[in-house]
Amino acid sequence: QQQVKQSPQSLIVQKGGISIINCAYENTAFDYFPWYQQFPGKGPALLIAIRPDVSEKKEGRFTISFNKSAKQFSLHIMDSQPGDSATYFCAASIGGSNYKLTFGKGTLLTVNP
Amino acid sequence: GAVVSQHPSWVICKSGTSVKIECRSLDFQATTMFWYRQFPKQSLMLMATSNEGSKATYEQGVEKDKFLINHASLTLSTLTVTSAHPEDSSFYICSAGTAPGNTIYFGEGSWLTVV
Repeated sequence: QQQVKQSPQSLIVQKGGISIINCAYENTAFDYFPWYQQFPGKGPALLIAIRPDVSEKKEGRFTISFNKSAKQFSLHIMDSQPGDSATYFCAASIGGSNYKLTFGKGTLLTVNP
Repeated sequence: GAVVSQHPSWVICKSGTSVKIECRSLDFQATTMFWYRQFPKQSLMLMATSNEGSKATYEQGVEKDKFLINHASLTLSTLTVTSAHPEDSSFYICSAGTAPGNTIYFGEGSWLTVV
């Protein structure tokens, strides 16, 4: 049973465009929703995270939108750059960030120059 | 940000041998560490959760006798793949955190190839 569904599997965006990756979850007990960025051969790095008491969080070019009633959250990358080309994973956990993370299947983002 | 270091970054071992991967939190004390494996172009799959000074908790389907985890100190956890086989070849990643509610940091990962 996949508890966090991520789409699309891959995404191609032109430089300067907006990249949007979506995730949906099933377990209403989840209360921490991070996004990770992973470059080939490297471990994932925390990009931005949100808790369900907030509908949106913005850090630089990265924004998380959270819809609690729909059990969905999304990552928006504004002014996408070739350096943003990586695999992005959404995740969810119960009890804050020090508990088990359930990951989505990942989205391979390619930003063309 | 905090640093989690893994060693070795990559290792090749012969089938039937054992190999140990270390995960260290360099600038903080990690009460909890997690071990994941990741196959190419796939997501991270949690293998086990280790708490300092206690036995690891393994996820369903993970053989605890094959994947030995030791978290003997607040800065070091080790994963030992025993009697390795080619199907154990994978990217192994650890993560570490401090108290509940704090951020989890991931290591750079360790590539294991069993030949």
